[in-house]
Amino acid sequence: DQQVKQNSPSLSVQEGRISILNCDYTNSMFDYFLWYKKYPAEGPTFLISISSIKDKNEDGRFTVFLNKSAKHLSLHIVPSQPGDSAVYFCAASARRGTSYGKLTFGQGTILTVHP
Amino acid sequence: EAGVAQSPRYKIIEKRQSVAFWCNPISGHATLYWYQQILGQGPKLLIQFQNNGVVDDSQLPKDRFSAERLKGVDSTLKIQPAKLEDSAVYLCASSLVWTGKNIQYFGAGTRLSVL
Repeated sequence: DQQVKQNSPSLSVQEGRISILNCDYTNSMFDYFLWYKKYPAEGPTFLISISSIKDKNEDGRFTVFLNKSAKHLSLHIVPSQPGDSAVYFCAASARRGTSYGKLTFGQGTILTVHP
Repeated sequence: EAGVAQSPRYKIIEKRQSVAFWCNPISGHATLYWYQQILGQGPKLLIQFQNNGVVDDSQLPKDRFSAERLKGVDSTLKIQPAKLEDSAVYLCASSLVWTGKNIQYFGAGTRLSVL
């Protein structure tokens, strides 16, 4: 049961253009979402997150949008740089009392930014 | 600040052998996680510790996998006996508190190949 899905295995973008990575979820209990970036031979690193009380969160070149009714979130990278080339994972968690439970990850999207 | 340390980085064993992985979390991080990442998939939580107590081990194959976190710091994950389908990257992560936004910090992982 894949509760978090990234339906695009890969994305190729020209340097300077916008990269849009998409993620869909099925569990309506999820209320906190994160994006992680992973380079080869390294562990995932936290990029940006969003709570379900918001529909947008911005950090520099990275913006995450959340559409709760559609159970969809997206990560926008503007402008894209060659150093952004990596695997991007979407993750979600559900509140357990006053804290959050485990992260459920999507399958990842390989982003390639061409110079 | 030192990151999450894992060893070994790579391990090759034959099926039915046993193997152990070690993790040292970021200093002061009370929560520790072990994930299994099979090629082409996102990380899947195996077990979560809060200090040295188990919070969630619902997806840990307990007939062959075991984990411990002595003194609430370092942790080891063991597989005995290994199967071919255990070939994966085993990631350790830690977070500061098991409350709030659950941003997890990952180690580089141990790549296990079972032949």
